[in-house]
Amino acid sequence: AQSVTQLGSHVSVSEGALVLLRCNYSSSVPPYLFWYVQYPNQGLQLLLKYTTGATLVKGINGFEAEFKKSETSFHLTKPSAHMSDAAEYFCAVSGPSGTYKYIFGTGTRLKVLA
Amino acid sequence: GAVVSQHPSRVICKSGTSVKIECRSLDFQATTMFWYRQFPKQSLMLMATSNEGSKATYEQGVEKDKFLINHASLTLSTLTVTSAHPEDSSFYICSARASGGNEQYFGPGTRLTVT
Repeated sequence: AQSVTQLGSHVSVSEGALVLLRCNYSSSVPPYLFWYVQYPNQGLQLLLKYTTGATLVKGINGFEAEFKKSETSFHLTKPSAHMSDAAEYFCAVSGPSGTYKYIFGTGTRLKVLA
Repeated sequence: GAVVSQHPSRVICKSGTSVKIECRSLDFQATTMFWYRQFPKQSLMLMATSNEGSKATYEQGVEKDKFLINHASLTLSTLTVTSAHPEDSSFYICSARASGGNEQYFGPGTRLTVT
């Protein structure tokens, strides 16, 4: 069965510092992997996704993630945090083949300190 | 492209009444729509999957008679919370998948408050 683990429910970084949000997954089939950002009282905005091909995926707002099959990881990074990056971040993996479902992690709240 | 809307964005209703939430795909045809529920500071919980013209498939523990889902067209799905109670207060988010695609596109969410 597919599952997602996000280590660290809260992460604080200083403005300008590296952002690293961790995501590990388990999947019985080649996964599709996603990172979403959610601002308060809003829906989810796709940051980036991995389906096939290049394992380093670049997304919006300067974020990128690397799919590492051997580590079953898909960590999200950004070289330099901005105040506007403060939000909730969700990692998701595609569910059982043919269902098109997503399995979401529990989320990581990113706080950016001035 | 791939825009999903929800209406209303916020709704307050009295206990015992029913409330309907609409989810529309504005610029594509949605073969599948998903309904999620999100409690404060928690992740999204999938409630049900609906395919156009078919009955919705509910996740374990979700009361199908309480959360009525209709997917009557390729651009519209509705979630009706029947006989709402304060514990149904939550943030409801829909998503839609286009025919032939794997990606879900998410709506902006609906905040339901039951008083």
